[in-house]
Amino acid sequence: QQPVQSPQAVILREGEDAVINCSSSKALYSVHWYRQKHGEAPVFLMILLKGGEQKGHEKISASFNEKKQQSSLYLTASQLSYSGTYFCGTESAPGSNDYKLSFGAGTTVTVRA
Amino acid sequence: DAGVIQSPRHEVTEMGQEVTLRCKLISGHNSLFWYRQTMMRGLELLIYFNNNVPIDDSGMPEDRFSAKMPNASFSTLKIQPSEPRDSAVYFCASSFEVDQPQHFGDGTRLSIL
Repeated sequence: QQPVQSPQAVILREGEDAVINCSSSKALYSVHWYRQKHGEAPVFLMILLKGGEQKGHEKISASFNEKKQQSSLYLTASQLSYSGTYFCGTESAPGSNDYKLSFGAGTTVTVRA
Repeated sequence: DAGVIQSPRHEVTEMGQEVTLRCKLISGHNSLFWYRQTMMRGLELLIYFNNNVPIDDSGMPEDRFSAKMPNASFSTLKIQPSEPRDSAVYFCASSFEVDQPQHFGDGTRLSIL
């Protein structure tokens, strides 16, 4: 089942912060985050595997709350290069033959100078 | 190292024609995923393979779609006969294992007239 992302879109000025949320109705085993720039392929940012785990990529970090079945992506001091559509992908079954990564609808981030 | 290579990059054809999309995995990767992306439906997983074996094809829309992996480094997605509603960007992605970061190809932009 597809996770729900919010907000659908956000506009920022350079240097501002933003939070993107990803929620699932199923218990989560892992959460993947990807960024896709217009006309390009999605690019992997990070995987979160444990409840409460936080990871970072540049000034982009994420948290994973197993109990709440959700993950949040934090864009700190945003740069123009952060513009793009961010997708979360959630995995509900522990690595097994029925593994399937389900992607959310995406959050479009526009960073303006 | 070369990334995931897809061909063709663009395909325009008339409805009813057979379409074959091709994908070369990153060397050493064991898992292969085919996605379709449209504005309406977002990024949808069509099918994935692990060690050349199709694991889950529940996302394949109809019998008109078929995918093969004749060897460890190459896969094809075929649509026969094609219909205008098949127009989309088709991505393939590979990963070292099924639950590891996925590396996407540049996609094939398919237009069925």
